[in-house]
Amino acid sequence: GQSLEQPSEVTAVEGAIVQINCTYQTSGFYGLSWYQQHDGGAPTFLSYNALDGLEETGRFSSFLSRSDSYGYLLLQELQMKDSASYFCAVRDRDSGYSTLTFGKGTMLLVSP
Amino acid sequence: GAVVSQHPSRVICKSGTSVKIECRSLDFQATTMFWYRQFPKKSLMLMATSNEGSKATYEQGVEKDKFLINHASLTLSTLTVTSAHPEDSSFYICSARDGSLAFFGQGTRLTVV
Repeated sequence: GQSLEQPSEVTAVEGAIVQINCTYQTSGFYGLSWYQQHDGGAPTFLSYNALDGLEETGRFSSFLSRSDSYGYLLLQELQMKDSASYFCAVRDRDSGYSTLTFGKGTMLLVSP
Repeated sequence: GAVVSQHPSRVICKSGTSVKIECRSLDFQATTMFWYRQFPKKSLMLMATSNEGSKATYEQGVEKDKFLINHASLTLSTLTVTSAHPEDSSFYICSARDGSLAFFGQGTRLTVV
């Protein structure tokens, strides 16, 4: 089986930097993904880490440490539009590396 | 990135009727698509995995006779909620994989009255 833990809510102000952590337990590991979901919308892909290290995409970066079963999403220069839910997700051996299992999501609230 | 189109985005139906939701991969072929359900402020829960040309694989606790899935082509999967009841009201989202990455449809907000 698999499980993912991430904080339920994070608050920050515009212009700040915020880090959303994700720890996971899987029966095999095939990469950690991050998705953003605005209220009422569908999830959109943000980032994917298959190997250890940092992946940078504009204001967003994602980090993975496979030995620690840990990753994080880093959001810089926060904007009001970044207020959304952020989900980490993994694929693992039990699902044949086919299906994504999502964490419960972290609601990010960005204030002026 | 790849595009997945889901239709309709919003539907209201009467209790006891059936509703069909379509999920299309527009610029890639998807032998496997996934159907999720999401309650307000909650995470996405996988309902079933749709396999082109064969039967869908349902997650534990999901009634396969209530949530009929058909994956007749490499670009189209449908989810039919049969004999809908108010407790079926939810946000349904499909997903398809393009290589290592998953892309989602826009979601369908189903309200059963």
